Amino acid sequence: GESVGLHLPTLSVQEGDNSIINCAYSNSASDYFIWYKQESGKGPQFIIDIRSNMDKRQGQRVTVLLNKTVKHLSLQIAATQPGDSAVYFCAENMVGNTGNQFYFGTGTSLTVIP
Amino acid sequence: DVKVTQSSRYLVKRTGEKVFLECVQDMDHENMFWYRQDPGLGLRLIYFSYDVKMKEKGDIPEGYSVSREKKERFSLILESASTNQTSMYLCASRTGYPYGYTFGSGTRLTVV
Repeated sequence: GESVGLHLPTLSVQEGDNSIINCAYSNSASDYFIWYKQESGKGPQFIIDIRSNMDKRQGQRVTVLLNKTVKHLSLQIAATQPGDSAVYFCAENMVGNTGNQFYFGTGTSLTVIP
Repeated sequence: DVKVTQSSRYLVKRTGEKVFLECVQDMDHENMFWYRQDPGLGLRLIYFSYDVKMKEKGDIPEGYSVSREKKERFSLILESASTNQTSMYLCASRTGYPYGYTFGSGTRLTVV
């Protein structure tokens, strides 16, 4: 299948600092992207999404940036807190070999140092 | 609040057993998906369904089958469990394109 996300596997940040998690997606025709957060032992949870007609979208303490020119997506977390420690996945929605659905990266593990 | 419920959080089964993983959503979603999640490999699609009685193979369907007799329930079946099917299994649903998935909490299956 398609693959998404040339992530660094781990990222450590000090509490209170900003975090940036990057993702390279595979298909220039992808039109919808989501960042998910997965805490240990739990299923992924939606954080924020962005459609391909946008460059930036902000949520509460999170911002997603989309650069379609280089097929790059980033998640910025402001004032990172211990509760932000988790694995973060990007997902792109596209039509692939098995229909119209999301393809996921392998994830970046974020550790917040108190 | 939207919910996807997977019936078991942890399961231990023996090689050769037939295993049923159940997933129920209460959101009247059309689309449902089964993924497995392994370290370094991310989420890989096993099977999906866009409607009742409908099923389609994902990227790694071998050794699995599914059943969707009712809209809210999507079951994953391991016909004869093997140790290489030890994994975290995630069920997801969505109302349709272009909306995101809601995931269940996952079932960690160990085959011994």
